[in-house]
Amino acid sequence: SYVLTQPPSVSVAPGQTARIPCGGNNIESKSVHWYQQRPGQAPVLVVYDDTDRPSGIPERFSGSKSVNRATLTISRVEAGDEADYYCQVWDGGSDCVKFGGGTKLTVL
Amino acid sequence: EVHLVESGGVVVQPGGSLRLSCAASGFIFDDYTIHWVRQGLGKGLEWVSLINWDGTRTYYGDSVKGRFTISRDNSKNSLYLQMNRLRTEDTAIYYCVKSSTAYNDGSLHYWGQGTLVTVSS
Repeated sequence: SYVLTQPPSVSVAPGQTARIPCGGNNIESKSVHWYQQRPGQAPVLVVYDDTDRPSGIPERFSGSKSVNRATLTISRVEAGDEADYYCQVWDGGSDCVKFGGGTKLTVL
Repeated sequence: EVHLVESGGVVVQPGGSLRLSCAASGFIFDDYTIHWVRQGLGKGLEWVSLINWDGTRTYYGDSVKGRFTISRDNSKNSLYLQMNRLRTEDTAIYYCVKSSTAYNDGSLHYWGQGTLVTVSS
């Protein structure tokens, strides 16, 4: 079955850029979505269809893809960005939704 | 404004059954695919199931296939999850989630606040 791989944690200083990778075989052929989950809260969609942002999501959040990898980039990181981040795709081969294991972003 | 309100989460014994409900408002309910996603304590997100706009197509994660049944009542703007033969590993917060589209590969756009299911003797 299809697997999405994320590092367990990423750390960055305030004002710097955080990059959260999501690895998957041939991920470039799939639509990748990203979610932010702050402690004790429900997840929030921050990037959909690889690169688009829902209304209300700051431009500091952006998505990109390359061969076998998607990346969520957060520019000018703020303390409030500290959260868990999950990538997600639809696996048409198995007819199921797949999530990455999640990455905890720590703002130093 | 989109609202999704889950209910029905309780403490249940292993082997028992439970039905979760999700009341939706703020959008045209029967235009969208709806999902259930769960999250164990301190764990990541796990997709449970989805149902298409008219309820004719349903899909399930491997860990719940054959035990859980998703359904919807478009006349009541409501989604359901019938959970049978519950196991301790089904303990989790269950989220009702609206897709961005009527299709399977849409993003999970709006999330409810979740309802806690605890399976324990």
